[in-house]
Amino acid sequence: DAKTTQPPSMDCAEGRAANLPCNHSTISGNEYVYWYRQIHSQGPQYIIHGLKNNETNEMASLIITEDRKSSTLILPHATLRDTAVYYCIVRSLEGTASKLTFGTGTRLQVTL
Amino acid sequence: DTGVSQDPRHKITKRGQNVTFRCDPISEHNRLYWYRQTLGQGPEFLTYFQNEAQLEKSRLLSDRFSAERPKGSFSTLEIQRTEQGDSAMYLCASSPRRGGEQFFGPGTRLTVL
Repeated sequence: DAKTTQPPSMDCAEGRAANLPCNHSTISGNEYVYWYRQIHSQGPQYIIHGLKNNETNEMASLIITEDRKSSTLILPHATLRDTAVYYCIVRSLEGTASKLTFGTGTRLQVTL
Repeated sequence: DTGVSQDPRHKITKRGQNVTFRCDPISEHNRLYWYRQTLGQGPEFLTYFQNEAQLEKSRLLSDRFSAERPKGSFSTLEIQRTEQGDSAMYLCASSPRRGGEQFFGPGTRLTVL
């Protein structure tokens, strides 16, 4: 699976949009971009995923550049409960396990 | 609560002892994963089951580690002769289909003294 690069930490004011970037310049054509988050002392939680089109669900939006070498996760109105480590993962759906390969993620701190 | 459950949530043991953790996946999920997470790092894949068959193991899974899923439902992860380096959070996840999102349990935090 391709490697991802994320900033180690970011801050965001409550109520504002949080834009979390991710670089994945070696992504292959059949690899998806997944985002998970991990709130302190909990297991990771799925947020969203996409291949090449932008995606939106009730939690977030995912913007993938046309060349697919980078993406941005957008939390439109961040709250204190969004404080967590956010992991950008490039995942191939081929192979037996289709396992997740986590990096060190971005620690998002939402403040009042 | 129909999520993934893990037991125990915390385990403290002395070096050299054996420990066993249990994971109960979401009932209709046939795919089950074990991950390990150390402080400041993201989770690392250990092993994968499809139903009762263990189909993939990471090289992180040394001979002291064994995992089972006897009836394709719950799974156990055993660590024999624990070492201080085994101290970590052990996470279990399940998924309903290949490539589907993985639902994680709360983890078992192991401390080896």
